[in-house]
Amino acid sequence: DAGITQSPRYKITETGRQVTLMCHQTWSHSYMFWYRQDLGHGLRLIYYSAAADITDKGEVPDGYVVSRSKTENFPLTLESATRSQTSVYFCASSGGWTGVGYTFGSGTRLTVV
Amino acid sequence: KQEVTQIPAALSVPEGENLVLNCSFTDSAIYNLQWFRQDPGKGLTSLLLIQSSQREQTSGRLNASLDKSSGRSTLYIAASQPGDSATYLCAVLRRGYSGGSNYKLTFGKGTLLTVNP
Repeated sequence: DAGITQSPRYKITETGRQVTLMCHQTWSHSYMFWYRQDLGHGLRLIYYSAAADITDKGEVPDGYVVSRSKTENFPLTLESATRSQTSVYFCASSGGWTGVGYTFGSGTRLTVV
Repeated sequence: KQEVTQIPAALSVPEGENLVLNCSFTDSAIYNLQWFRQDPGKGLTSLLLIQSSQREQTSGRLNASLDKSSGRSTLYIAASQPGDSATYLCAVLRRGYSGGSNYKLTFGKGTLLTVNP
């Protein structure tokens, strides 16, 4: 199916563990983004990518790592999970910066215990 | 720093009522403004995108307006239905202050709309 898919939908992990959230899009969009959504903070940008092998930090990048070896995939890794990283994570993609809108995945609800 | 504010934070209306959701932003140097809908436990669905050169966009019962100079946008929902119940988010796109070629999408915290049958 065309679209943007995230996996897993739900994840529980322990403090200190490494966890990777997956994001896959089928539109060949150049731009991809990772956001986290928390009560009281709204949506905040973690990392973004303008193309394969080009990534840059957003507002809250600490504790996260991204890669983009292929245009369609943009995994987000928590190197050593902390309880403050409990959140809902959304991946998004866009065909450009200014002319088009963003499309979001369904999210991954991550709980760090 | 761009700040996006949405008022009210929550709104409850009877079915059939016309309603307006408000979004304001502090930096008028934006490229576009997008309205999203988010259902509980779900992702964001794009509703309307207004370019900075446009005044409004319409889709079905939804109409979004943009007044860039005053830093305001409104989302008008006509003849509201229980299925419209969701959180509505606005987001503005501007160039990142750090320079370079990156842009930044800044979200408001949303308006939780409940339409009662």
